[in-house]
Amino acid sequence: QVQLVQSGAEVKKPGASVKVSCKASGHTFTAYFIHWVRQAPGQGLEWMGWLNPSSGGTKSAQKFQGRVTLTRDTSISSAYMELSSLRSDDTAFYYCVRARLGGGPRYYFDSWGQGTLVTVSS
Amino acid sequence: DIQMTQSPSSLSASVGDRVTITCQASQDISNYLNWYQQKPGKAPKLLIYDASNLETGVPSRFSGSGFGTDFTFTISSLQSEDIATYYCQHYHDLPPSFGGGTKVDIK
Repeated sequence: QVQLVQSGAEVKKPGASVKVSCKASGHTFTAYFIHWVRQAPGQGLEWMGWLNPSSGGTKSAQKFQGRVTLTRDTSISSAYMELSSLRSDDTAFYYCVRARLGGGPRYYFDSWGQGTLVTVSS
Repeated sequence: DIQMTQSPSSLSASVGDRVTITCQASQDISNYLNWYQQKPGKAPKLLIYDASNLETGVPSRFSGSGFGTDFTFTISSLQSEDIATYYCQHYHDLPPSFGGGTKVDIK
């Protein structure tokens, strides 16, 4: 079955960077976009950006532009999200999410990683 | 950016009750709307896509409706395992965004 397995929890100091990995299995890695969504503890869901694993193309939310880098390694079916210049309000669970395509421009977040808690604290 | 407003933010209901959650978009999103369930400590799970289509394997007590700016999510007969937070999400354009969530618990 489709699985997205993420790397473990991280604790970082303000100003540092973090890189979260997401290993896909059970489907053709290059056939589905990977999105990144974060959730501060006890809060709602916030979209960060997407990665096209086939081309390596990316798009990020304006809020994160200049701070987030989305990459992939197709040889090991893995996607990566790197967030730099970390602040305390970046403390959150970070999820990688597979987007299943519907007809035309439609897509649905049908498989989620287990989440990676990133804590930013001095 | 399109804003999604969900209500109520929380509710308590008895097992067997009908539960309804609403979601309003700040502009017309056609039916580019999905609903997710998030249980405590878990990742969200897709329940409904394109406003009214039930995801494979999801119990039929869950349903959705709506078009344009106003959407409804219904649990026809609440079960104890439905305790969770529910989110609507539009994908009409970028950025996709989520409603603030509705926390459902048992009275």
